[in-house]
Amino acid sequence: QLHLQESGPGLVKPSETLSLTCTVSGGSFSGSDYYWGWLRQPPGKGLEWIGSIYFTGTTFYNPSLKSQVTISLDTPKYQFSLKLSSVTAADTAVYYCTRQISNYGWPRFSDSWGQGILVTVSS
Amino acid sequence: DIVMTQSPDSLAVSLGERATLNCKSSRSVLYDPNNKNYLAWYQQKPGQPPKLLISWASTRESGVPDRFSGSGSGTDFTLTITSMQAEDVAVYYCQQCLSQPYTFGQGTKLEIK
Repeated sequence: QLHLQESGPGLVKPSETLSLTCTVSGGSFSGSDYYWGWLRQPPGKGLEWIGSIYFTGTTFYNPSLKSQVTISLDTPKYQFSLKLSSVTAADTAVYYCTRQISNYGWPRFSDSWGQGILVTVSS
Repeated sequence: DIVMTQSPDSLAVSLGERATLNCKSSRSVLYDPNNKNYLAWYQQKPGQPPKLLISWASTRESGVPDRFSGSGSGTDFTLTITSMQAEDVAVYYCQQCLSQPYTFGQGTKLEIK
């Protein structure tokens, strides 16, 4: 049974960098069938795709966040990470790491999700 | 960006009755080379992450009860729950995964009447 777990600080100051890590267990991490992705959900609101990374290191980012986002991989540790720079209160959200089905070389649906971590941006 | 619009915003259905949730995309999410609709449905219960119910518009994920079904093609899609159960109370989201950025509908909140 695949398990994903987000970790990182729950409080980040405005203008600083939000850093989260997702640890994967119970399944393959370097296979070609999947991407690993980050999504977020502001309190009481809908879902937003942030970006995704393939086992080769190939990344795709939401254009609305591209200037702020870096997603990286640490394969030996079965981890992938999110960095979001220059955060504001609008970046306050529950952040989810997910496994995404790969199709025609792109990430698609998220078939497995972590529990999520609430990150609040506040001074 | 492809805009996903769900209707209604909320829906109350009696136990055992049918629930019909709609999702409309601003552009077709049908990929002609493989004739697949890049449309998914997720269920999110309070305090939990979303759960993938339906992929490719109509393929039920393993373990999802058969009272859930997805239909539609192109720009118009429907999630149907044939017999509402108490455990189906949740917010349901549709998502298109054809064109980046992948986008979600605003959600339909399903409650018991």
